Amino acid sequence: NAGVTQTPKFQVLKTGQSMTLQCAQDMNHNSMYWYRQDPGMGLRLIYYSASEGTTDKGEVPNGYNVSRLNKREFSLRLESAAPSQTSVYFCASRSGDGRSSYNSPLHFGNGTRLTVT
Amino acid sequence: KNEVEQSPQNLTAQEGEFITINCSYSVGISALHWLQQHPGGGIVSLFMLSSGKKKHGRLIATINIQEKHSSLHITASHPRDSAVYICAVDGETSGSRLTFGEGTQLTVNP
Repeated sequence: NAGVTQTPKFQVLKTGQSMTLQCAQDMNHNSMYWYRQDPGMGLRLIYYSASEGTTDKGEVPNGYNVSRLNKREFSLRLESAAPSQTSVYFCASRSGDGRSSYNSPLHFGNGTRLTVT
Repeated sequence: KNEVEQSPQNLTAQEGEFITINCSYSVGISALHWLQQHPGGGIVSLFMLSSGKKKHGRLIATINIQEKHSSLHITASHPRDSAVYICAVDGETSGSRLTFGEGTQLTVNP
């Protein structure tokens, strides 16, 4: 049981480059999330998807786009990377769609450490 | 003021000590989560609770809904308990979004 799989684990970009962070879960979860974690700031929500076919902005969506490709996969794209996007990115998932049964534990990927120079 | 506040921010203990980490929140919630982040970076869910108390091994989580407060206790602490412990809440009106505290860095020395 792989759980939540995130790729890549590490990435270095130059300012202005683009990249896509991939996330897939094999637990048939409805809700998927992208967070960033910066020192002293805790986890901050970038985007989330409460169910297949829907996506919503979180606290810090600027500079990012997402795609819920299917129920398993939720990707995060940086179109033009900036040094302020240097961070550790986590994908997470859980069952429930926000309208019912959303009180379920989160399952996290192992994170992507992104550096933008 | 953050919706979810944890204390202390940093905690150093000797092996064997009883440890308490606190979480206070200011919104109505439907559930509260305790997470653990190891030095390698991975995050795992320890507990999800909406009332009372839950226990798993040496870890105990309690919640007082009226006081909007939760505690995470570790009995007989061990160096392998060294990690960041994060509190998060499901707000009653937040749908599937959670609000996170900033975490408590715990170091247990042998």
